[in-house]
Amino acid sequence: QSALTQPASVSGSPGQSITISCTGTSSDVGSYNLVSWYQQHPGKAPKLMIYEVSKRPSGVSNRFSGSKSGNTASLTISGLQAEDEADYYCCSYAGSSTCVFGGGTKLTVL
Amino acid sequence: EVQLVESGGGLVQPGGSLRLSCAASGFTFSDHYMDWVRQAPGKGLEWVGRTRNKANSYTTEYAASVKGRFTISRDDSKNSLYLQMNSLKTEDTAVYYCARASYYDSSLIDYWGQGTLVTVSS
Repeated sequence: QSALTQPASVSGSPGQSITISCTGTSSDVGSYNLVSWYQQHPGKAPKLMIYEVSKRPSGVSNRFSGSKSGNTASLTISGLQAEDEADYYCCSYAGSSTCVFGGGTKLTVL
Repeated sequence: EVQLVESGGGLVQPGGSLRLSCAASGFTFSDHYMDWVRQAPGKGLEWVGRTRNKANSYTTEYAASVKGRFTISRDDSKNSLYLQMNSLKTEDTAVYYCARASYYDSSLIDYWGQGTLVTVSS
């Protein structure tokens, strides 16, 4: 299982929207609606933000949304805020018992 | 509130051993599969391994990079997860996270601990 492909970095200004892509294959992202997204602030544990492509856990802002098309999943953050600056990781089920992670994307809020 | 607290990290020489522990609270530990995930300095997340629950015979799985060197175990009576690491290599240097798999979707990690740093260096 190869890691999913994410852009190394994205940036946006406060109030704007940004989208982070997560590209896999027909063996993982393309085959299952089991893509999750994690937010990680420096020195902190990852936090689940999106699961099953587009579902939000209780307590996660509705500014965070997820989608999928073909072999690519996407995380969109609207109304960007300074506190959104963090690393973001996608993870997709790939037919084994666990998910395979993306390489991570550093979001900078300008 | 779900809490996962790792301990046992530290500095160890190449070829050495270390045992990490994870104390769980705030949920029925015995129901859940539990994972270890690591993150090398400045790098991304890497799944290390998993232990399933009693209903699934406590079976384990490991990433190819650690198979044969690392052993995951659990003690449901103590709500604790363990990672025994032997024959450590410099490339095992990382923050090690204890993580809970969702009860409804075992492929989903829904909670993470704060991590414990393991440094393998001479």
